[in-house]
Amino acid sequence: GAGVSQSPRYKVAKRGQDVALRCDPISGHVSLFWYQQALGQGPEFLTYFQNEAQLDKSGLPSDRFFAERPEGSVSTLKIQRTQQEDSAVYLCATHSGTDPEKLFFGSGTQLSVL
Amino acid sequence: QKEVEQNSGPLSVPEGAIASLNCTYSDRGSQSFFWYRQYSGKSPELIMSIYSNGDKEDGRFTAQLNKASQYVSLLIRDSQPSDSATYLCAVRDSNYQLIWGAGTKLIIKP
Repeated sequence: GAGVSQSPRYKVAKRGQDVALRCDPISGHVSLFWYQQALGQGPEFLTYFQNEAQLDKSGLPSDRFFAERPEGSVSTLKIQRTQQEDSAVYLCATHSGTDPEKLFFGSGTQLSVL
Repeated sequence: QKEVEQNSGPLSVPEGAIASLNCTYSDRGSQSFFWYRQYSGKSPELIMSIYSNGDKEDGRFTAQLNKASQYVSLLIRDSQPSDSATYLCAVRDSNYQLIWGAGTKLIIKP
């Protein structure tokens, strides 16, 4: 596609519910990042994929967070048993191998846990 | 813990004036520095990158880097109302991690 696509744009979940957030990267972009952005804060790194390999998951805040990219394209971030502190915007970003310093962000998924 | 610090603002600047945004970082081994613009409710967009000491100009934007002082800034000349946004400073540290500041909210007053 022309840009990084994320869905849903907004998600409201009840505390304890599981959610799945989708990221469809720019075609050909092998590197994919997930970030969490709380209100009034900068993005915080969650995890990084190169193709289907998850090379860094050091930013995942707990074992309730899980990410996958099984075919090296679309990625899903899953949050189990959501808590109120999980409320944030979840951003997906990719870059091309030719310009690794330029990140292209999706529009994000705004998650609200009630 | 490695940090990137920015004044949260809001920074209010009259239209046509120069807006000056500042950022300091803690990891002396950092090598790459970025300014992203984020409109309210939108995702960050890269506007400038800088890798060596001194100034780098791109249109109305100038990035300035001083590694000795661990300081990077962004100047916006001839500020326009469309420049009103949050400006995020991001630093790639010595472990190749991208560390983000919390952003400075800039308001350009017509």
